[in-house]
Amino acid sequence: DGGITQSPKYLFRKEGQNVTLSCEQNLNHDAMYWYRQDPGQGLRLIYYSQIVNDFQKGDIAEGYSVSREKKESFPLTVTSAQKNPTAFYLCASSTYRAGSRNYEQYFGPGTRLTVT
Amino acid sequence: AQSVTQLDSQVPVFEEAPVELRCNYSSSVSVYLFWYVQYPNQGLQLLLKYLSGSTLVKGINGFEAEFNKSQTSFHLRKPSVHISDTAEYFCAVSNYNDMRFGAGTRLTVKP
Repeated sequence: DGGITQSPKYLFRKEGQNVTLSCEQNLNHDAMYWYRQDPGQGLRLIYYSQIVNDFQKGDIAEGYSVSREKKESFPLTVTSAQKNPTAFYLCASSTYRAGSRNYEQYFGPGTRLTVT
Repeated sequence: AQSVTQLDSQVPVFEEAPVELRCNYSSSVSVYLFWYVQYPNQGLQLLLKYLSGSTLVKGINGFEAEFNKSQTSFHLRKPSVHISDTAEYFCAVSNYNDMRFGAGTRLTVKP
């Protein structure tokens, strides 16, 4: 049963701590994405990766870091430099072909991070 | 740069009534268009997509959308809604560079 898994569903951290959110996909997709969702603001792109060992900053990358060592995995670290980290984080993946428009993205169930 | 505007942030409607959720976009190149649904505390699920061909696209759960190139719109419709359709709906547009999402429309279906 193919899909995207994110863990954990809920995460609580103290201010000043780094935290890593997991994202795994078994859809054999080349591209993976991380979004942040805040009430009334839709989805904002944090980072994306179109190929293993390569990733690009999105619109709000400051205070976040990622790695893409395996095709199936794209973990996101929320660092202590992120000024307002409490949010709902969504991971997505899609097929990717250079020179083509972006295809539909498939989303994981999300991780709700609360930092106090 | 491309952008997406969902014209209504909230749409309340009674059960079994028709509904239309509006989406307009701007782009200097041809695009793909998508509608997603999000239930509380869940990820987004693809409702339907327009890549090419017929401008009327049918999706899951009885939803359909029509691509209007001249008006740069991709409105989502359902002839008769159910309580279970209560959710947040996102329009998305993709070109050769990226995919952009609208701010979302919260559909509330009342009994």
